[in-house]
Amino acid sequence: AQSVTQLDSQVPVFEEAPVELRCNYSSSVSVYLFWYVQYPNQGLQLLLKYLSGSTLVESINGFEAEFNKSQTSFHLRKPSVHISDTAEYFCAVIVTGGFKTIFGAGTRLFVKA
Amino acid sequence: EAGVAQSPRYKIIEKRQSVAFWCNPISGHATLYWYQQILGQGPKLLIQFQNNGVVDDSQLPKDRFSAERLKGVDSTLKIQPAKLEDSAVYLCASSLDRSSGNTIYFGEGSWLTVV
Repeated sequence: AQSVTQLDSQVPVFEEAPVELRCNYSSSVSVYLFWYVQYPNQGLQLLLKYLSGSTLVESINGFEAEFNKSQTSFHLRKPSVHISDTAEYFCAVIVTGGFKTIFGAGTRLFVKA
Repeated sequence: EAGVAQSPRYKIIEKRQSVAFWCNPISGHATLYWYQQILGQGPKLLIQFQNNGVVDDSQLPKDRFSAERLKGVDSTLKIQPAKLEDSAVYLCASSLDRSSGNTIYFGEGSWLTVV
């Protein structure tokens, strides 16, 4: 069975600094990978996803994640964060062709002025 | 387009009481999910419907939880009787179909506190 580990429960960072939120997965078969974001008092929404093709995927608000099959990782990065990026970020995995998405425990990103 | 609607947003009940949550998915979405999110944890799938049929309910505590999606649109999740450990956010979500690459769209959640 697949699983997801988000290595940091909280990441405080100053505005305009770079950030990396780490995600590792475990699966014996090929997977699709997702990052969802939950802003305060809102539901989860898709940030970006990797299905196939280029291993580097980007979001519209400057985040990017790289699928690394050898390290079974899908870390999320942003070169310069804003206060508005404060949110909880969830990494998720689903087996290719499967029907059940597994979510990590989440990483709370707190951007300080 | 309208998102996933859930109600009520907040509910406080005493243990052993019952509670029901309602969900209206995005129009045209065949797949509907109920997740439980306990504080500090990621969402855990309770049940997944494809139209009005159950696809996966392996993690639904069936002695106290039930869910239905009678006409393949709206869904209701019921807890009876509630326990203290049921305190969580109950997230309803939907996707176009069961394809594994599809985006899952979430509602804002129903916060349950059992006292």
